[in-house]
Amino acid sequence: DIQMTQSPSSLSASVGDRVTITCRASQSIGTYLNWHQQKPGKAPKLLIYTASSLQSGVPSRFSGSGSGTDFTLTITSLQPEDIATYYCQQSYITPQTFGQGTKVEI
Amino acid sequence: QVQLQQWGAGLLKPSETLSLTCAVYDESFRGYFWSWIRQPPGKGLEWIGEINHSGVTNYNPSLESRVTISIDTSRNQFYLRLSSMTAADAAVYYCAKAPQNTPRNWGQGTLVTVSS
Repeated sequence: DIQMTQSPSSLSASVGDRVTITCRASQSIGTYLNWHQQKPGKAPKLLIYTASSLQSGVPSRFSGSGSGTDFTLTITSLQPEDIATYYCQQSYITPQTFGQGTKVEI
Repeated sequence: QVQLQQWGAGLLKPSETLSLTCAVYDESFRGYFWSWIRQPPGKGLEWIGEINHSGVTNYNPSLESRVTISIDTSRNQFYLRLSSMTAADAAVYYCAKAPQNTPRNWGQGTLVTVSS
């Protein structure tokens, strides 16, 4: 299985801050990398697919980049409603696998 | 906008079989894979497996011996069965529409507890 490793595991930031979360794959996955947001008690929600494509309805302050093994999710100006846990997920090969999550707090 | 609604027994005894149903609204099964994903309390996400409208399935090797995913296109529903449940299988179970291995729409989740 492809292992996905996120860093940091948690972070605390202020409203308006730029936030960056990284995800590393144990082997090259091209751009087959998705980002999901999960708020407490809710199902995950797809934010970014194929590394950098913004899912419909997702605010433009969210962006993704990277290819191969190293990827980044950036929130350009953190908002209170962005408090959540963020997961990367590789869609390159079955079984699809997820990172352990990054909890974002204010 | 597709909607997924899921249901099933939330409390099981060890060795029992989990059975969950996911109903799909405002969407055709054709052209997509439909997944089951689980999340143990306080932990990350684990993909269980998927099925398409023709009944082609793919399973996570770690669960393959105990998992069956099936589909009923006439009802727009797909199903999860996981046998020989233990405490390690306790989790919130989600169904999802997942084209190209990408979960795009998720069900609301079903909390499953395993206890004698």
